[in-house]
Amino acid sequence: DTGVSQNPRHKITKRGQNVTFRCDPISEHNRLYWYRQTLGQGPEFLTYFQNEAQLEKSRLLSDRFSAERPKGSFSTLEIQRTEQGDSAMYLCASSSDLLDYGYTFGSGTRLTVV
Amino acid sequence: ILNVEQSPQSLHVQEGDSTNFTCSFPSSNFYALHWYRWETAKSPEALFVMTLNGDEKKKGRISATLNTKEGYSYLYIKGSQPEDSATYLCAILNSGYSTLTFGKGTMLLVSP
Repeated sequence: DTGVSQNPRHKITKRGQNVTFRCDPISEHNRLYWYRQTLGQGPEFLTYFQNEAQLEKSRLLSDRFSAERPKGSFSTLEIQRTEQGDSAMYLCASSSDLLDYGYTFGSGTRLTVV
Repeated sequence: ILNVEQSPQSLHVQEGDSTNFTCSFPSSNFYALHWYRWETAKSPEALFVMTLNGDEKKKGRISATLNTKEGYSYLYIKGSQPEDSATYLCAILNSGYSTLTFGKGTMLLVSP
């Protein structure tokens, strides 16, 4: 297993366009997380899956954001009608047990909305 | 909403200096604290997971302590090296044991 993989690494899109990011977690990890990080801030929680079930969603996740994890494997995060305020680093992480182990993060997808 | 505070916001030291950062968090309903190192253009990497009051963990020149009664953790780096330059993030586990809330991080720059 090569760790958590995220694609694409960078995405530049025009305001109003839809974008989709993909995350492939560590195969043994049943938990998958999406976070967003903007300049000067720490990673902010967006949503969390345990297997294929989406168990938590942040209030930050507006109706324009949707995430899926079909069959409990990879996950996608889609942003519809992008706005300039959506420009950020989108991080995916997976884990098994947070009392003993930390998150394993991907390298992130840097989104720039112009 | 958990409030995780980290200080200082940034730090610039010379190679060989020892340094430390602070993470403050609500002392009530504590479950676990995580430290991560995030180097530029890389993924954040887990350093320590700490759960017990008085816990002290060490990884090479980096160590961390935890005080759950007063709600703080210190991260120490002994003899800083340029490769230690990174953002150091602290995070607290929520009551459902499901997600982490991160602080804003401390950005460390170590000059040769």
